[in-house]
Amino acid sequence: DQQVKQNSPSLSVQEGRISILNCDYTNSMFDYFLWYKKYPAEGPTFLISISSIKDKNEDGRFTVFLNKSAKHLSLHIVPSQPGDSAVYFCAASHAGGTSYGKLTFGQGTILTVHP
Amino acid sequence: NAGVTQTPKFRILKIGQSMTLQCTQDMNHNYMYWYRQDPGMGLKLIYYSVGAGITDKGEVPNGYNVSRSTTEDFPLRLELAAPSQTSVYFCASSPRGVAGIYNEQFFGPGTRLTVL
Repeated sequence: DQQVKQNSPSLSVQEGRISILNCDYTNSMFDYFLWYKKYPAEGPTFLISISSIKDKNEDGRFTVFLNKSAKHLSLHIVPSQPGDSAVYFCAASHAGGTSYGKLTFGQGTILTVHP
Repeated sequence: NAGVTQTPKFRILKIGQSMTLQCTQDMNHNYMYWYRQDPGMGLKLIYYSVGAGITDKGEVPNGYNVSRSTTEDFPLRLELAAPSQTSVYFCASSPRGVAGIYNEQFFGPGTRLTVL
């Protein structure tokens, strides 16, 4: 039972254009969502997050949108740069104290930004 | 600060062998986690710990054991290695959360394990 899904295994965009990565979830208990970025031979690093009380969070070139009714979130990268080429993981959690910060991850999307 | 460190980086095991994957964090985080990542898949939680002496199972605990005797260290033990345990293993840590507040997890660089 895949509670967090990233249905696009890969995405290829031109430098300077927008990259849009999508994520769907099924568990209504999730109330906090994160995006992690992973380069080869490294561990994932935190990129941006959003609480379910918001529908948008922005940090520089990165914006995450949350549509709770559709159980869908997306990560927008504008403008895309070659250094953004990596695997992007969507993750979800319940922010309550008893969840102990456990994360449920999607399968990941490989983003390639061409110069 | 080194953050989260993992050793070894790579290891090849024969079926039935045992080994311990080491994980240490120097951020004084209460929470620590072990994940595995199979090719084309996301990370799946094996075990987690909310403090020294306290551990609990995650989504895929079978074939693994953990212990947490100090805040800094959270080793993962494979007792009888099987080919299905071929994977990349990531350790992570985070500060203790309170209700309504989520703290991001910090990941180590991973251990690539092959069981033949």
